[in-house]
Amino acid sequence: DAGITQSPRYKITETGRQVTLMCHQTWSHSYMFWYRQDLGHGLRLIYYSAAADITDKGEVPDGYVVSRSKTENFPLTLESATRSQTSVYFCASSPRDRGEHTFGSGTRLTVV
Amino acid sequence: GQQLNQSPQSMFIQEGEDVSMNCTSSSIFNTWLWYKQDPGEGPVLLIALYKAGELTSNGRLTAQFGITRKDSFLNISASIPSDVGIYFCAGHLKTSYDKVIFGPGTSLSVIP
Repeated sequence: DAGITQSPRYKITETGRQVTLMCHQTWSHSYMFWYRQDLGHGLRLIYYSAAADITDKGEVPDGYVVSRSKTENFPLTLESATRSQTSVYFCASSPRDRGEHTFGSGTRLTVV
Repeated sequence: GQQLNQSPQSMFIQEGEDVSMNCTSSSIFNTWLWYKQDPGEGPVLLIALYKAGELTSNGRLTAQFGITRKDSFLNISASIPSDVGIYFCAGHLKTSYDKVIFGPGTSLSVIP
């Protein structure tokens, strides 16, 4: 199916565990983004990527790692999950760097 | 850092009424965007504005890019129940590592 898909949709993990959130897009968009959405903070950029093998930090990158070996995939890894990383995570893609994002449906992550 | 202010924070209106909401910033942006988020889903792009003074419509939605480049507004005419959701403004500045800054959102409720 065409579009941008995130998996899993829901995840519960324990403090200290590593967890990876997946994001896949079928348009070959150059730009991909990871945001977290929290009450009181809105959407905050974690990492973004302008192309395969090019990634850069956003506003809140600490505790997260990304990679982009293929244009269509942009996984986000929490190396050692903490309770403060409980949030809803959105992946987005864009054909150009003008802010016109297409978002996935999100992953709701709970760290216990 | 850069922040966007949206007003009102929430609105309760009768079906058929017109809606106005706005977004202001202390910084200038190259692009203003408006997104809508339904519960449990990612934001969806409604309108993108690229030039100061630009007025753009998308069906019942009309948005304007303020001439100072520091604000934007969104109008919805003849509201219907499916307009319910959270509306986010976003500003994009090409030279900023932050890429896209999102406002905190305006929650819209439509009373049938």
